[in-house]
Amino acid sequence: GENVEQHPSTLSVQEGDSAVIKCTYSDSASNYFPWYKQELGKGPQLIIDIRSNVGEKKDQRIAVTLNKTAKHFSLHITETQPEDSAVYFCAATTNDMRFGAGTRLTVKP
Amino acid sequence: NAGVTQTPKFRILKIGQSMTLQCAQDMNHNYMYWYRQDPGMGLKLIYYSVGAGITDKGEVPNGYNVSRSTTEDFPLRLELAAPSQTSVYFCASSTGGQPQHFGDGTRLSIL
Repeated sequence: GENVEQHPSTLSVQEGDSAVIKCTYSDSASNYFPWYKQELGKGPQLIIDIRSNVGEKKDQRIAVTLNKTAKHFSLHITETQPEDSAVYFCAATTNDMRFGAGTRLTVKP
Repeated sequence: NAGVTQTPKFRILKIGQSMTLQCAQDMNHNYMYWYRQDPGMGLKLIYYSVGAGITDKGEVPNGYNVSRSTTEDFPLRLELAAPSQTSVYFCASSTGGQPQHFGDGTRLSIL
């Protein structure tokens, strides 16, 4: 089945800096790649997603890029704010969705 | 708009006991899912349902059962609880094949 690896496991940035989280997947048939943000004590919240026929998608300060040839996709957060601090999960979907292990992002004020 | 509601939020069980984790959604979504999240790990799919009366196994179904008698409710049953089932359980729903709306989870400890 699909295997998703996510790096780094922890990331600390200064407020206003950019943050990048990277994921790789193993199944070339994967066609949908969502990103979730999980705050302490809450369930994951879908923040952005991308489909395999698109190379890049942007929503305000958040962007996702997809490289199908290399089988990796990345989440980019610009102008980070303390409220961006959370755990972020990537996922890849063929018939079902497989999640990465998560990245704990800390934005220092 | 409540979204996806899970009860209880916390529970401690003894080994061998059974319990039902409740999940309800008020968005009229056909798809519903149960995931477990272990420390430092991503979510793993236990069971899912594409509509009332239809359920199917996910990646880690052993030790669990589900039912879907209505569109709104998707309870998860643990029979003969084991320490390996200590985890945080999340229910989710969506209109399509990928989960979009998650509940806030049930933290379950089995001692």
